[in-house]
Amino acid sequence: QKEVEQDPGPLSVPEGAIVSLNCTYSNSAFQYFMWYRQYSRKGPELLMYTYSSGNKEDGRFTAQVDKSSKYISLFIRDSQPSDSATYLCAMLGQGGSEKLVFGKGTKLTVNP
Amino acid sequence: NAGVTQTPKFRILKIGQSMTLQCTQDMNHNYMYWYRQDPGMGLKLIYYSVGAGITDKGEVPNGYNVSRSTTEDFPLRLELAAPSQTSVYFCASRRHSNSGNTIYFGEGSWLTVV
Repeated sequence: QKEVEQDPGPLSVPEGAIVSLNCTYSNSAFQYFMWYRQYSRKGPELLMYTYSSGNKEDGRFTAQVDKSSKYISLFIRDSQPSDSATYLCAMLGQGGSEKLVFGKGTKLTVNP
Repeated sequence: NAGVTQTPKFRILKIGQSMTLQCTQDMNHNYMYWYRQDPGMGLKLIYYSVGAGITDKGEVPNGYNVSRSTTEDFPLRLELAAPSQTSVYFCASRRHSNSGNTIYFGEGSWLTVV
């Protein structure tokens, strides 16, 4: 089993839709959970950062972490064409695991 | 404050040639990483460093070498380039902190081995 699993999609939605992106993981040592957005031919940029379980909201974006299920989600409300990108989840352990592990990324297209 | 700077941005290598991808960060971050990204495969960790003088292998280290003589620089060396090393390479850095672990990425280096 891979450490981090993410459905690569592609995912295509109409403008204004609610988008749900998900990752599962197997390593219970992961403590920090991140979502990155990557536009074509660019480096990843940090979207959301959470520590431990719970929800975190930032504008149209909500990150959710369920450590008991080893499951994280990113919700995008009122999606816009400018949200079209690849979204990568990433995880980092604490106290001994300094490797940042990424999912494969989900390619999202928001159609006007 | 330039963040993470990678050079070159594009490079074509012939099989068997060697080259070094340069990475510099000006944020005084202790952790630095090299990833490669192949289409549909996400980011795979090649090597990482937790501070000057300390490096460790990631998931796919074969065919690469790194060094970390200073906090700022983390060059990635390709010896005897092979077509399988055609990829996009990203350097990243972060500062360990209990209040956050934001990782900053460079713009990427597109490498083609022919």
